[in-house]
Amino acid sequence: SQLAEENPWALSVHEGESVTVNCSYKTSITALQWYRQKSGEGPAQLILIRSNEREKRNGRLRATLDTSSQSSSLSITATRCEDTAVYFCATDRHDSGYNKLTFGKGTVLLVSP
Amino acid sequence: GGIITQTPKFLIGQEGQKLTLKCQQNFNHDTMYWYRQDSGKGLRLIYYSITENDLQKGDLSEGYDASREKKSSFSLTVTSAQKNEMAVFLCASSRQGTEVFFGKGTRLTVV
Repeated sequence: SQLAEENPWALSVHEGESVTVNCSYKTSITALQWYRQKSGEGPAQLILIRSNEREKRNGRLRATLDTSSQSSSLSITATRCEDTAVYFCATDRHDSGYNKLTFGKGTVLLVSP
Repeated sequence: GGIITQTPKFLIGQEGQKLTLKCQQNFNHDTMYWYRQDSGKGLRLIYYSITENDLQKGDLSEGYDASREKKSSFSLTVTSAQKNEMAVFLCASSRQGTEVFFGKGTRLTVV
């Protein structure tokens, strides 16, 4: 079973609109990371939010974390066509103190002009 | 900044073949990883290494071997390629507790 899961599976918006991707996870975490993967590239980190943080911002991006409900959200404001990508949440399982990220299946975001 | 270089970018193999994928990083990171990405299944950890000559099995290690002979390089071997297998293999590196950086991937097709 998935330890981290994004929803919805896919989203389509027009440029300028705002969008939110949700993530639910099943383990105790030390941090949750959001990654974006554009076609033909590897994932790239957008935001890392630690378990003692409730919100983190990075430009047009805002991530929230609710450890009581084991959920996180990533919001993008004023979307652009270049935001088109697959968005993953990844939880940090600290086995032996080293990153062992567990990724969800991802949310496909399409931003059209 | 740094970069992770994966070779080859595309790999076509035959059923039963042993295939090797290579990865180099110049971040000077201690930890390196191999993930497999299948369509609709997210990324799954195959092997990781916390230092030179160290190897740790991930969730999907069966059917694979790995080698970390230098800090900067981490190779993955598919011990016996499965017919009709198609996946992207992603190499990554990190310092402990920080951002994980990924390469662009090796796309494997087995005919």
